[in-house]
Amino acid sequence: EAGVTQSPTHLIKTRGQQATLRCSPISGHTSVYWYQQALGLGLQFLLWYDEGEERNRGNFPPRFSGRQFPNYSSELNVNALELEDSALYLCASSLLAGGDTQYFGPGTRLTVL
Amino acid sequence: AQSVAQPEDQVNVAEGNPLTVKCTYSVSGNPYLFWYVQYPNRGLQFLLKYITGDNLVKGSYGFEAEFNKSQTSFHLKKPSALVSDSALYFCAVRPPSGGYNKLIFGAGTRLAVHP
Repeated sequence: EAGVTQSPTHLIKTRGQQATLRCSPISGHTSVYWYQQALGLGLQFLLWYDEGEERNRGNFPPRFSGRQFPNYSSELNVNALELEDSALYLCASSLLAGGDTQYFGPGTRLTVL
Repeated sequence: AQSVAQPEDQVNVAEGNPLTVKCTYSVSGNPYLFWYVQYPNRGLQFLLKYITGDNLVKGSYGFEAEFNKSQTSFHLKKPSALVSDSALYFCAVRPPSGGYNKLIFGAGTRLAVHP
């Protein structure tokens, strides 16, 4: 069974640009979560999508947004990139909405120059 | 405030010796507790979880964790460490309510197993 997949593996952008990160959940999982792992800040919850709707978001500005598609894959968009947005962005999926174990993908390393 | 503490930045242990990675939490109610492991340049791999029942939970790769409600702890253990266990370990808690869906992570503990 395929795990959570994310693309691209690495992404390099300059300050002010927009970044788009993609995630495909484990087959059958309907919930998708996004986390940011920044150096010195640890793992922080960004967004939760379930059945195409945003269900909850962490303490991040509105320029962090996303969506979930009918096939349950998800996209994270980061607008007006800042240097401090450089981080590993991890996507996770779970079988049950808001519950059960979250399984993580390998992450997208975003570097903002 | 809800939080997870991993008091040790790094744990060093000799191969073959038992290992313990500590975790305490501050969450009201009865949270779900998790351990994940992260290898260099990789995502998080699920090791084990505690929801309810027996306080000793067994997980992947020979790891186990002991839930102690009175001490609000969920320490990760393994009877005999392997060099390949060297990685970054994260404890996480899912609060029982009010944003129950998200995981709150500790800062991580780097485990170094020496031959």
